[in-house]
Amino acid sequence: EVQLVESGGGLVQPGGSLRLSCATSGFPFSSYAMSWVRQAPGKGLEWVSAISDSGGSTNYADSVKGRFTISRDNSKNTLYLQMSSLRAEDTAVYYCAKRIRGVPYYFDYWGQGTLVTVSS
Amino acid sequence: QSVLAQPPSASGTPGQRVTISCSGTSSNIGSNSVSWYQQLPGTAPKVLIYSNNQRPSGVPDRFSGSKSGTSASLAISGLQSEDEADYYCAAWDDSLNGYVFGTGTKVTVL
Repeated sequence: EVQLVESGGGLVQPGGSLRLSCATSGFPFSSYAMSWVRQAPGKGLEWVSAISDSGGSTNYADSVKGRFTISRDNSKNTLYLQMSSLRAEDTAVYYCAKRIRGVPYYFDYWGQGTLVTVSS
Repeated sequence: QSVLAQPPSASGTPGQRVTISCSGTSSNIGSNSVSWYQQLPGTAPKVLIYSNNQRPSGVPDRFSGSKSGTSASLAISGLQSEDEADYYCAAWDDSLNGYVFGTGTKVTVL
């Protein structure tokens, strides 16, 4: 059974940093690209970042470029999102999502999410 | 930000057919396939349709998708109470070099 379990969320002050983790199981993690998607309270879904299966290629939404860093440890089957210079508008539930291999581009499994609140 | 436009709400009575539209541009829907996600209250999204009109195993055939040019649509036939949820379209955007979601549509079963 595929499982994605996020952790690391919490309350952080504006300008602060936080690292999210997504522990995975039930599939060969190193063979699949992964992404982070967020959802602000009462709002819609926003794709944040993606990383290739090897970790050699990454993409970011303009809203987080230069502040967030996606990475993965294939030996630990874990995905990460390092967030810095956090702003109030980064407050959201952050989901990790598994992409299918190849095309088309879509996510077949999602975690349950971890809440990040940026507030003083 | 959301670059795919959806109506904020749609509704119908049990058994009716509801259709949700998704409008994009040549850089997203016009050149890449569309997926649809269902988000039940308080839960993570779940893929409902991929490759414009394909259903993953386990998704009822009451759900169907289509695409024409730079627009796509999701149809729910035989609407049921458990279909009350938020629905999002999505596609890769070649210009933004990122994945874009629609603004979301809340479906209410009257």
